[in-house]
Amino acid sequence: ETGVTQTPRHLVMGMTNKKSLKCEQHLGHNAMYWYKQSAKKPLELMFVYNFKEQTENNSVPSRFSPECPNSSHLFLHLHTLQPEDSALYLCASSQWTSGGANTGELFFGEGSRLTVL
Amino acid sequence: GQQLNQSPQSMFIQEGEDVSMNCTSSSIFNTWLWYKQDPGEGPVLLIALYKAGELTSNGRLTAQFGITRKDSFLNISASIPSDVGIYFCAGQLFRTSYDKVIFGPGTSLSVIP
Repeated sequence: ETGVTQTPRHLVMGMTNKKSLKCEQHLGHNAMYWYKQSAKKPLELMFVYNFKEQTENNSVPSRFSPECPNSSHLFLHLHTLQPEDSALYLCASSQWTSGGANTGELFFGEGSRLTVL
Repeated sequence: GQQLNQSPQSMFIQEGEDVSMNCTSSSIFNTWLWYKQDPGEGPVLLIALYKAGELTSNGRLTAQFGITRKDSFLNISASIPSDVGIYFCAGQLFRTSYDKVIFGPGTSLSVIP
């Protein structure tokens, strides 16, 4: 139990579906992240939220839409995805200081395995 | 851009053996981190290093922050079956809100009982 919970764990969707991934952290952290993990590739940072404000959008296609309603919850809305978007989507959280210092210590959820048909 | 290389890519060892893996970069980092990912799980932080030359242990794991700030290694002593998984190194240049953590491609470890 890492304190970061992701649902669903597995999702299969067609290219025209709309679905959402959910992440909740119980660690009291103030920053949350979405990463994409594809086979044989390094973890790719998608989005960063700090104090609910998006601070990073790593050139992610608009068919991925993040939402962070509060510092404990993070969503990734999915719409008209492509088969190459099939991957493990990992949520993570960390604690930044009030001065913006970030130790790089990330706490990951178990991931949502997405398959796009 | 910044990129990390990990070697070996994969390794198969006998239970009880020691393991050594490393991570290199063409650019410097001021933070090195090692994560482990079990099958079907997310990565878990093992060791964080914040100073060049630093040597830190966590149980049977020992990691070092290379003196050039361009590399780090991780050693596992007396491996056991639960050491199986993918080990990722990660680096960060500045500990600031705008600086990303860069991950390596991982070293896959298999332990033969």
